[in-house]
Amino acid sequence: EAGVTQFPSHSVIEKGQTVTLRCDPISGHDNLYWYRRVMGKEIKFLLHFVKESKQDESGMPNNRFLAERTGGTYSTLKVQPAELEDSGVYFCASSQWTGGMNTEAFFGQGTRLTVV
Amino acid sequence: AQSVTQPDIHITVSEGASLELRCNYSYGATPYLFWYVQSPGQGLQLLLKYFSGDTLVQGIKGFEAEFKRSQSSFNLRKPSVHWSDAAEYFCAVGANTGFQKLVFGTGTRLLVSP
Repeated sequence: EAGVTQFPSHSVIEKGQTVTLRCDPISGHDNLYWYRRVMGKEIKFLLHFVKESKQDESGMPNNRFLAERTGGTYSTLKVQPAELEDSGVYFCASSQWTGGMNTEAFFGQGTRLTVV
Repeated sequence: AQSVTQPDIHITVSEGASLELRCNYSYGATPYLFWYVQSPGQGLQLLLKYFSGDTLVQGIKGFEAEFKRSQSSFNLRKPSVHWSDAAEYFCAVGANTGFQKLVFGTGTRLLVSP
């Protein structure tokens, strides 16, 4: 079974440009999460989808970040316009409900975003 | 608010020596606790988790962790480190109701010397 897949693995963009990150969760996982790690800091929660609905977006830094999950399958995270402080590694994770509780989250390899 | 502290940013261990990585958490209820590892060029991989029951949990790659409620700790241990264990290790706590939101520590980078 394929794991969580993220594209691209690396992205270098100029300040002011737009970047779209993609995440393909494990098939059948209703829960999808985005996290971010800026250099040297902890991995921080951005948001959580249940199927196509945003369950919790309390970690989104500002309105330059837009996450979507059309059809409840893959998700995209768009940063527009990108700023220098957006640089970091963006992780996607997915999990499923089993037996009335959530399973552990399975993470992708991350997208390293560098804004110059 | 939940928080996780990993006091050691870097640790160097000789190959074959034992390892203990420290993790302290702050959470008002019974926590769900996790250790993840990120090897170079790889994603986060779950090593082990604690939900309830036996406070000593076994994970993959020969790792184990012990939940100590009185100390709010969940330290990771391995009796004999291999060079392939060099990686960054993250402790995380999840909300009791379903841990939809994980709170991570800042990570500990493990270096293994020959």
